[in-house]
Amino acid sequence: GIQVEQSPPDLILQEGANSTLRCNFSDSVNNLQWFHQNPWGQLINLFYIPSGTKQNGRLSATTVATERYSLLYISSSQTTDSGVYFCAGSTSGTYKYIFGTGTRLKVLA
Amino acid sequence: NAGVTQTPKFQVLKTGQSMTLQCAQDMNHEYMSWYRQDPGMGLRLIHYSVGAGITDQGEVPNGYNVSRSTTEDFPLRLLSAAPSQTSVYFCASSYSADSNQPQHFGDGTRLSIL
Repeated sequence: GIQVEQSPPDLILQEGANSTLRCNFSDSVNNLQWFHQNPWGQLINLFYIPSGTKQNGRLSATTVATERYSLLYISSSQTTDSGVYFCAGSTSGTYKYIFGTGTRLKVLA
Repeated sequence: NAGVTQTPKFQVLKTGQSMTLQCAQDMNHEYMSWYRQDPGMGLRLIHYSVGAGITDQGEVPNGYNVSRSTTEDFPLRLLSAAPSQTSVYFCASSYSADSNQPQHFGDGTRLSIL
């Protein structure tokens, strides 16, 4: 199956700073999502982005499918952005959605 | 729509006991799946289903059974619980298993095996 690597594993930011999280896939994926797991453990769907660029407020994501990676940008970070960010994807025909190990983000006031 | 509903939210079992984690969705989604999340780790796929009557194994299927008798429900069964199955379990669904379909997750079941 595909391997999903996320970097960095841990990130500490001062409130207001910007950051970029990266997700690399070992094979081409046709389903790709970014999630935020909040301190209560809930998985919040941020973006469904198998290719291209999307923006939602202070968050944006870009997937370069041909090079098998995706980036999540967080601008003007806030303490409520703290938590773990996961990417996940599946390859065509496998029906197996594989998660990365996550980036743990802490935003300090 | 209630989305994806998991019950119970918390459960404590003794080693060797059996139990069923329930998952239901009201979005008429074909694809449903179960994951486990261990502390400090990502989610690992246990079993999945691409439609009623069809199930298949994920990355970590041992010790778990599933069935899909209806489109709405996808229960996960632990036949003989072991301490290694202590984890948080998430159920997810999407419209289909094919391209361009985002997954929707339940709030999880926290399971402790003593």
